[in-house]
Amino acid sequence: DVKVTQSSRYLVKRTGEKVFLECVQDMDHENMFWYRQDPGLGLRLIYFSYDVKMKEKGDIPEGYSVSREKKERFSLILESASTNQTSMYLCASSFSRGSYEQYFGPGTRLTVT
Amino acid sequence: KQEVTQIPAALSVPEGENLVLNCSFTDSAIYNLQWFRQDPGKGLTSLLLIQSSQREQTSGRLNASLDKSSGRSTLYIAASQPGDSATYLCAVYNNAGNMLTFGGGTRLMVKP
Repeated sequence: DVKVTQSSRYLVKRTGEKVFLECVQDMDHENMFWYRQDPGLGLRLIYFSYDVKMKEKGDIPEGYSVSREKKERFSLILESASTNQTSMYLCASSFSRGSYEQYFGPGTRLTVT
Repeated sequence: KQEVTQIPAALSVPEGENLVLNCSFTDSAIYNLQWFRQDPGKGLTSLLLIQSSQREQTSGRLNASLDKSSGRSTLYIAASQPGDSATYLCAVYNNAGNMLTFGGGTRLMVKP
């Protein structure tokens, strides 16, 4: 079974802190994605990566950056957390061939106070 | 830009009923369509993936259909149970297969 894990289920940070959200997949997937989910706005893509050291902006990249130094790991970075970044963050991964099916992690509920 | 709409936004049914959740999308040039389940505060669980060349997929009490030409998909749940209570999300893959666009979800409550 594909497994996508996220470093924390719940996280509370203060405004202005630098925050790292980690995602690891064990299926040798080329593609990895970060989404955020908010009530009334649904799931929105923040960033994605097709390969190591490659990244592409999604629909809402402002205030975020990403890092992919190893194929299995994709990190989302909030350089200076703000209260409007309080959200559920979901990571996903997929192969870059075949069905392209995306597999999701359990999510990280981030609260910025 | 692809837009995905799910109707109804919320649904409450008594246990044992058969029900249909609807999903529509504006751009029919899709690669695949996927239905997910999400329990409160949790991640997404994949239910069914329908490839663009397929018309339907079945898993247990679930059946999903796809009509690309009309931009619609339905998720049929037979003999609903309280454990089916969750939010159901429809998502379509773009033509290249590498990007997902999600609908807003249908929140389902099955009452015992």
